[in-house]
Amino acid sequence: GAVVSQHPSWVICKSGTSVKIECRSLDFQATTMFWYRQFPKQSLMLMATSNEGSKATYEQGVEKDKFLINHASLTLSTLTVTSAHPEDSSFYICSARGPFQGNYEQYFGPGTRLTVT
Amino acid sequence: SQELEQSPQSLIVQEGKNLTINCTSSKTLYGLYWYKQKYGEGLIFLMMLQKGGEEKSHEKITAKLDEKKQQSSLHITASQPSHAGIYLCGADGGAQKLVFGQGTRLTINP
Repeated sequence: GAVVSQHPSWVICKSGTSVKIECRSLDFQATTMFWYRQFPKQSLMLMATSNEGSKATYEQGVEKDKFLINHASLTLSTLTVTSAHPEDSSFYICSARGPFQGNYEQYFGPGTRLTVT
Repeated sequence: SQELEQSPQSLIVQEGKNLTINCTSSKTLYGLYWYKQKYGEGLIFLMMLQKGGEEKSHEKITAKLDEKKQQSSLHITASQPSHAGIYLCGADGGAQKLVFGQGTRLTINP
């Protein structure tokens, strides 16, 4: 089956620094990748959708300059949290979908837990 | 916008017991998906329902979509410790997006 990996699985950083999270599709070409954020005991909230080779589409309320998304290849998307603050601490999950696949055919990564101190 | 409400938010059952999780939509569903998430991990796709009255089963898990396509239920028969986790329903939110319910945290006591 389709496998999506994320790196790192967890990261602790100091307030004011930037953190990059990678999302890779290991055995398929992901034309679309999604980034979600999940707070404790809450559901996944879509942050942005990125199509390979084009700019990401951000959801309302998500700061583009703070959460930089790059989808430069068909197997890699990165999310950079710039000037991180404690309120950015969360669980970030990516998902990937290949061409001609339905909405439900998103394959999810294992997530990255970010803690900002 | 599409909103999904799950109930209950958490559930603790004795191993071997049956249980049901509900997902109610604010709008007609054109695709309803059930996922399972283990704590701190990604989501695993369980089932997709599209037609009113549709019912699907996989092992001991059965999902149904009502005729009006606004409510779905997930039923687990003879629960096992491996069923523990967070169950999320998801639906097409338009423009390639999925929207999710808030999740139901299931604990199975041995």
